[in-house]
Amino acid sequence: GQNIDQPTEMTATEGAIVQINCTYQTSGFNGLFWYQQHAGEAPTFLSYNVLDGLEEKGRFSSFLSRSKGYSYLLLKELQMKDSASYLCAVWDSNYQLIWGAGTKLIIKP
Amino acid sequence: IAGITQAPTSQILAAGRRMTLRCTQDMRHNAMYWYRQDLGLGLRLIHYSNTAGTTGKGEVPDGYSVSRANTDDFPLTLASAVPSQTSVYFCASSEISGSTGELFFGEGSRLTVL
Repeated sequence: GQNIDQPTEMTATEGAIVQINCTYQTSGFNGLFWYQQHAGEAPTFLSYNVLDGLEEKGRFSSFLSRSKGYSYLLLKELQMKDSASYLCAVWDSNYQLIWGAGTKLIIKP
Repeated sequence: IAGITQAPTSQILAAGRRMTLRCTQDMRHNAMYWYRQDLGLGLRLIHYSNTAGTTGKGEVPDGYSVSRANTDDFPLTLASAVPSQTSVYFCASSEISGSTGELFFGEGSRLTVL
């Protein structure tokens, strides 16, 4: 079966750095997405990786290793507004999106 | 800029009743999707449409139906609601080609079936 694993919850301190990991087992691979979802709101797009390596976008970076079936989202200089759930999703060989359950990130002052 | 509009935003429904969740997008995207989101679970695809006039079943289609008469509208119908359909429903759209395939989501419809 297809599966995406991410930690259920993480806690970090304002101003610090946090890394949220995602491992996947899917039938084929056409790209990996990270979305942010604040409580009670819709998911919003953060990043897309299709090739191995690091994609940097401001305070957020996303890394992909296709051979390891692994990605991480790195958040730097954490702010209170970064408290949200972070969803990892993989496009399989049929371009169907497979979603992880999400990682709830709690930022403490 | 509207993007994707869902209605209603919230609804309480008696079991056995019929309910249609509406979804309209103004981005001229070819693909549209309906997901449900339940606590502790990832987004689960109910139905999708790659282009107007076509629809397909997702991971959890039972008890739901959709139609795609035109590019903009993609309503989701619960023919006879059951309590297990209590959930938050998200409509989304994306371009198929020429982009990363990023999904744009509506604000969600919170449905409670009693």
